Formats: sequence, structure tokens, C-alpha cells
Amino acid sequence: DADVTQTPRNRITKTGKRIMLECSQTKGHDRMYWYRQDPGLGLQLIYYSFDVKDINKGEISDGYSVSRQAQAKFSLSLESAIPNQTALYFCATSEPGQGSTDTQYFGPGTRLTVL
Amino acid sequence: GNSVTQMEGPVTLSEEAFLTINCTYTATGYPSLFWYVQYPGEGLQLLLKATKADDKGSNKGFEATYRKETTSFHLEKGSVQVSDSAVYFCALASGSARQLTFGSGTQLTVLP
Repeated sequence: DADVTQTPRNRITKTGKRIMLECSQTKGHDRMYWYRQDPGLGLQLIYYSFDVKDINKGEISDGYSVSRQAQAKFSLSLESAIPNQTALYFCATSEPGQGSTDTQYFGPGTRLTVL
Repeated sequence: GNSVTQMEGPVTLSEEAFLTINCTYTATGYPSLFWYVQYPGEGLQLLLKATKADDKGSNKGFEATYRKETTSFHLEKGSVQVSDSAVYFCALASGSARQLTFGSGTQLTVLP
């Protein structure tokens, strides 16, 4: 079984709808992240959480919110989806290491299309 | 702020050719450097990393050396295979938050 799972894998929705993307992990890591990937732009950080009570905005958090329900679960919500939020969304996890040596482990991604 | 600039693709090579994908960075402090690979339809996975200057990361025949003087971390492989076809991302992590900053990715296609 995959260590980091994302649901759904694909979603098509309409402008103005509320959407939730879910991420679960069995790696026992404290740190979790949400990224979006757009063609030619690499990955951009939306939100990250270092534990259940510690949630931080990333570089592109506008229009998104998150919930860390448990150590293993981190959800991303689009309160009112808009077409330019069409992208591939990735969840990732990591555990604290010495200095900045953390490796991040990525889920398979959710492809979201907003019409 | 931190940034990563990597060679634009796409890159197309014949099997057994030599590969170089250039990556340079700008960062405060002393970052760790990474190469991640994304195979079609999958999430990113770590290919190799280096945590301090002059370190060489290596995995699956790929290598990259952390060059502080040129702020570079170029990815190389002596003989690519069709199975190496993927998108390669250079990334760095620095500071107490340890967030990853990614380059834009380089699409590699290896032809038989």
C-alpha cells in the first residue's frame, strides 16, 4: 500500500463550488504539505503543517484553506473554486532531520479541473 | 528569497547518451539541495540529495555535486536509458522551516 494517498485522484467541478482534497499518510511523519503544480512552473507551496496544532501559509495560500484532522490526515479546501485553480495538487510528508536535510515523500497527486 | 533556476526542456536523447541538466540556486544561509524525479502519472520521488558544499549525491547512476562557489547542483548521468524518461526537478531547502523551493522542471525523453 502507498505511504501517502490522495483522494480523489481526479475531479472536475464548476466555478463557485466548494471542493475538498484529502491526504492520508501511514509514514508516521509529523510534517505535511500541500503543493500545486502548473505546467512549466514547478511546484508551489500552498500550506504546510508541522503538527496538528501548527499550520502555516505557503507562497500561494489565497483562495485555499486547510485542516489537519490528525497526524495522519491533512485536507485542502477550495471554498469557491475558480478556473485558475485548475492544476495538479500534491500532498507530501516529511520528518524532522538535522538542519535542512528533510526528504519529502509525495502522494500520487489529484488532478483538479474547474470549469 | 530563495530561488532555483534549472535548464529548460524538453531534452531528448538517444539511449546511452550522456545527460547533464543544469541547476543553479539563490538562497540565504546554507541550503540542502535535492533532485526529485516525476515519472508519468506519478508523484515526485527523491532521486538524490546533498547537504553541504562539495558533497556528491548519487543514485541509480545519477550524480550531482554541491558547488557553493558557483551555486550549482547539476545533474549528470553517463549513459541514459529509456526508463529514465521523466521530469526532473531541482530543489533546495533552507532555514528553520525547511520548505522546499523547486525549479520549473526539465522533461527528459530518451529514445531507443
